[in-house]
Amino acid sequence: GENVEQHPSTLSVQEGDSAVIKCTYSDSASNYFPWYKQELGKGPQLIIDIRSNVGEKKDQRIAVTLNKTAKHFSLHITETQPEDSAVYFCAAMNTGNQFYFGTGTSLTVIP
Amino acid sequence: NAGVMQNPRHLVRRRGQEARLRCSPVKGHSHVYWYRQLPEEGLKFMVYLQKENIIDESGMPKERFSAEFPKEGPSILRIQQVVRGDSAAYFCASSPARTGRGETQYFGPGTRLLVL
Repeated sequence: GENVEQHPSTLSVQEGDSAVIKCTYSDSASNYFPWYKQELGKGPQLIIDIRSNVGEKKDQRIAVTLNKTAKHFSLHITETQPEDSAVYFCAAMNTGNQFYFGTGTSLTVIP
Repeated sequence: NAGVMQNPRHLVRRRGQEARLRCSPVKGHSHVYWYRQLPEEGLKFMVYLQKENIIDESGMPKERFSAEFPKEGPSILRIQQVVRGDSAAYFCASSPARTGRGETQYFGPGTRLLVL
């Protein structure tokens, strides 16, 4: 089955700096990679996703890159703000249409 | 949360009791997924259902756990004879079609189950 690893598990950045979270996956046939943001006591919220036929996608301060050869994808948040503080999860969808989630990154943006 | 509703939001049960968790998907969505999240861990897939059918239950324990998604009404995740290890947050997600045809999953706020 698919195995998704996510690093780092915790990340602290100063407000205005950039944050990068990286994930690797094992199943080369996986073809869809969403990123979710989870705030305390709430459910995961989709923030951006990328499909295997695309190398990069950007939405305002958030971008995701995908390297299919190396089987890794990354979330980039620029100009971080305190409200970006949350737990971020990556996921990979395999050919069985099942989501496999990373273990999460707790991001703290220090004002 | 794109309209996925779950209730109750918090549920306390004693060992041996039954827990029933309900999920109403986004209007128009016919696919429901259940996940379990332990503290400081990621989400673990449990079961995938369409209306009146279980499509994939490979992540759900074979004993004590069951799920349904009837033609009318919410999806139900049922845990019989709960044990302390069942304490977790249970999330439901829905999609309009089976993910893989371009549709992602939208999550509800979760039910936090505490077994005393």
